[in-house]
Amino acid sequence: GAGVSQSPSNKVTEKGKDVELRCDPISGHTALYWYRQRLGQGLEFLIYFQGNSAPDKSGLPSDRFSAERTGESVSTLTIQRTQQEDSAVYLCASSPYLSTDYTFGSGTRLTVV
Amino acid sequence: DAKTTQPPSMDCAEGRAANLPCNHSTISGNEYVYWYRQIHSQGPQYIIHGLKNNETNEMASLIITEDRKSSTLILPHATLRDTAVYYCIVRGSGTYKYIFGTGTRLKVLA
Repeated sequence: GAGVSQSPSNKVTEKGKDVELRCDPISGHTALYWYRQRLGQGLEFLIYFQGNSAPDKSGLPSDRFSAERTGESVSTLTIQRTQQEDSAVYLCASSPYLSTDYTFGSGTRLTVV
Repeated sequence: DAKTTQPPSMDCAEGRAANLPCNHSTISGNEYVYWYRQIHSQGPQYIIHGLKNNETNEMASLIITEDRKSSTLILPHATLRDTAVYYCIVRGSGTYKYIFGTGTRLKVLA
């Protein structure tokens, strides 16, 4: 596609439920990143995928958070047993190999009630 | 990555130049200065980056001081659509993570 696509754009879930967020990167972009942005805050790095290399998971805040990516395609970010503090916009970005220029998606706004 | 300091907010009149400052006094020799902006409800958008020379593209100009401890992003003729949060980020050439601060909220006034 022309840009990074994220779905759903909005998600409201009950505390304790699991959610899955999806990111479709730009075709040919080998690198994929997930960030979290709480209301009024900057972006927090969560996880980075580069091709078939082991992902950098150093930003995941707890073991309730996990992400997968198959090859250079779609990625899913899963949050288990959601808590109210998980409420945020989850942003995905992709970039070509060794490029420093990200293209971000519009994000998924997650609200945990 | 080096820490950056930006004013939390600025106003600019439409049609005038918007000059957004950023301090990065602990920047090291191989770290670049990047600028992104985030318009409401959208993901951040790349604007420009530089190492030590001033840079210009169709969106903006980046002025980096000789000691590299600060920089200024210049939007030469601000429009209402430039209202956004502007992030100044310092990143090493061997790293891939951006460390975003809280940025400067620029409001362009009609």
